[in-house]
Amino acid sequence: AQSVSQHNHHVILSEAASLELGCNYSYGGTVNLFWYVQYPGQHLQLLLKYFSGDPLVKGIKGFEAEFIKSKFSFNLRKPSVQWSDTAEYFCAVNLYSSASKIIFGSGTRLSIRP
Amino acid sequence: EAGVTQFPSHSVIEKGQTVTLRCDPISGHDNLYWYRRVMGKEIKFLLHFVKESKQDESGMPNNRFLAERTGGTYSTLKVQPAELEDSGVYFCASSLQGPTDTQYFGPGTRLTVL
Repeated sequence: AQSVSQHNHHVILSEAASLELGCNYSYGGTVNLFWYVQYPGQHLQLLLKYFSGDPLVKGIKGFEAEFIKSKFSFNLRKPSVQWSDTAEYFCAVNLYSSASKIIFGSGTRLSIRP
Repeated sequence: EAGVTQFPSHSVIEKGQTVTLRCDPISGHDNLYWYRRVMGKEIKFLLHFVKESKQDESGMPNNRFLAERTGGTYSTLKVQPAELEDSGVYFCASSLQGPTDTQYFGPGTRLTVL
């Protein structure tokens, strides 16, 4: 069955540290890829998405993600985190073969120490 | 512009009872989705409406769950009878275009079945 794996359940960083959250998916066909974020007390919202073209995708708030097809990965990065980045981050995949369904990972909770 | 709203925000019921969750999508969004997150695990797709039609209901766990979207506006998700394993957070999302379009999520309904 198709799945999305997020390697870290909880990441704790200090402000200004660099961030990389891992995401791997298990599906050999064409995919669309997403990162969603849920800030404390807020709705889940889209951070960035990849459909085609440049595998390095830039999103809101200085986040970016790189699609590496050979590794089935879509890792999220930010060069310097801020306290306000404290949130839960979800990687997600939409499979072309089942267009309606978006498969989410289990989420990574990011805590930033001020 | 109002976002996606869900009601109630929290529901506590006993096993065997019935609960109905409601979702109001963003006005003009034909696409409406239901998801569920159980106890910190991944967010799982339940179903997708296009207007009042069910485009994909492959994620519905069993026939105790019934989703409707009469008139293509708001949607309800009824659980009857509720079981302990139905506890979790039920999210609704809507999008203007199909699933690869940005999905806007509601705040979720936390369902607790005792």
